[in-house]
Amino acid sequence: NAGVMQNPRHLVRRRGQEARLRCSPMKGHSHVYWYRQLPEEGLKFMVYLQKENIIDESGMPKERFSAEFPKEGPSILRIQQVVRGDSAAYFCASSPVAGTNNEQFFGPGTRLTVL
Amino acid sequence: GQSLEQPSEVTAVEGAIVQINCTYQTSGFYGLSWYQQHDGGAPTFLSYNALDGLEETGRFSSFLSRSDSYGYLLLQELQMKDSASYFCAVSAGANNLFFGTGTRLTVIP
Repeated sequence: NAGVMQNPRHLVRRRGQEARLRCSPMKGHSHVYWYRQLPEEGLKFMVYLQKENIIDESGMPKERFSAEFPKEGPSILRIQQVVRGDSAAYFCASSPVAGTNNEQFFGPGTRLTVL
Repeated sequence: GQSLEQPSEVTAVEGAIVQINCTYQTSGFYGLSWYQQHDGGAPTFLSYNALDGLEETGRFSSFLSRSDSYGYLLLQELQMKDSASYFCAVSAGANNLFFGTGTRLTVIP
């Protein structure tokens, strides 16, 4: 059973470009979460999605950031018009429908560098 | 909102025991989790406490006191490979996790 997959692992963008980060959850998991981690800091919750639904986007910046988890295909975190402050590691995690221990399974992350 | 406090750094000797504390303030509380993250790696789940008391899993144990809004992670028989960052995280509703800023553990010979 493959783990959570994220691609690309590394992404370089120039200011003003768009970044698209992809996440495929573990097989059988229908809950997806996105986190951002700045160097030497903890993970900051961004958004929680289920298939075709955004459940909680309280951690998402109001502008330029969007996320989706379509019926088919991976979850996408999209950052428009990137700025240097968007440089960070973006982790996706997934969990099953009703986990008993609240465990989330993390992908390897996408390290975004904005030049 | 949520806030969590844990020490930023801890150093311990190989073979020793170390305790990493976490205090939290949250508007809702379902449980306290602990995650380990090696440099450049992904966070991995260690433990989850929803009820007061101690949960033991091999060399690692985790404790929760809901009345004190406090928990800790206990690592026994430390090994060099335990050098990593350790994050406490609260579940305040739904399935969301809110993480502390992490404790960087360095194990020395």
